[in-house]
Amino acid sequence: NAGVTQTPKFQVLKTGQSMTLQCAQDMNHEYMSWYRQDPGMGLRLIHYSVGAGITDQGEVPNGYNVSRSTTEDFPLRLLSAAPSQTSVYFCASSSRSGGIEKLFFGSGTQLSVL
Amino acid sequence: GESVGLHLPTLSVQEGDNSIINCAYSNSASDYFIWYKQESGKGPQFIIDIRSNMDKRQGQRVTVLLNKTVKHLSLQIAATQPGDSAVYFCAENGTGRRALTFGSGTRLQVQP
Repeated sequence: NAGVTQTPKFQVLKTGQSMTLQCAQDMNHEYMSWYRQDPGMGLRLIHYSVGAGITDQGEVPNGYNVSRSTTEDFPLRLLSAAPSQTSVYFCASSSRSGGIEKLFFGSGTQLSVL
Repeated sequence: GESVGLHLPTLSVQEGDNSIINCAYSNSASDYFIWYKQESGKGPQFIIDIRSNMDKRQGQRVTVLLNKTVKHLSLQIAATQPGDSAVYFCAENGTGRRALTFGSGTRLQVQP
């Protein structure tokens, strides 16, 4: 099993550009989430989903959109990138039976916005 | 406000010694605590968890201690190895909440 797959691994954007960070999991996990990680700070939750068709905001949702049309995929969209969105982004998933706390993380996407 | 924090940003230990990583939390309603390990260039990996009705839980070479009186959590790693070098995060969750709150992390450096 591949687990949680994130693409791309690295991305450079100009201010105002849009892009989508992809996340896919093959573990049939109901719960998926997006975190950002900034230097000296812990992971901060952007958006999460408890199942297909259901999404909710986390701690830092502004500037990001998500959708969950399938169990497997949970893309994160930046509609108009800003330098403040320069960060490392992690997608994570977990099963309802295992508890949302036992997250499986992808390897991350390093995003730079110039 | 709710927060999860760490006492030391960097911990340096000799190979073979025991390591203790500490974490303080402020939310009295937290009832589930988790430790994650993040190696360079990788996503965090679940290590061990503990519920608030316990004060100690052991895994393979790791032990988590919970002191609810002072809202303190610690991760003990026995016989620390070079492969243990990483950033360690504590995280917490509360009943009915749908997301973890992570601390800022402690970097563990293992000296040969």
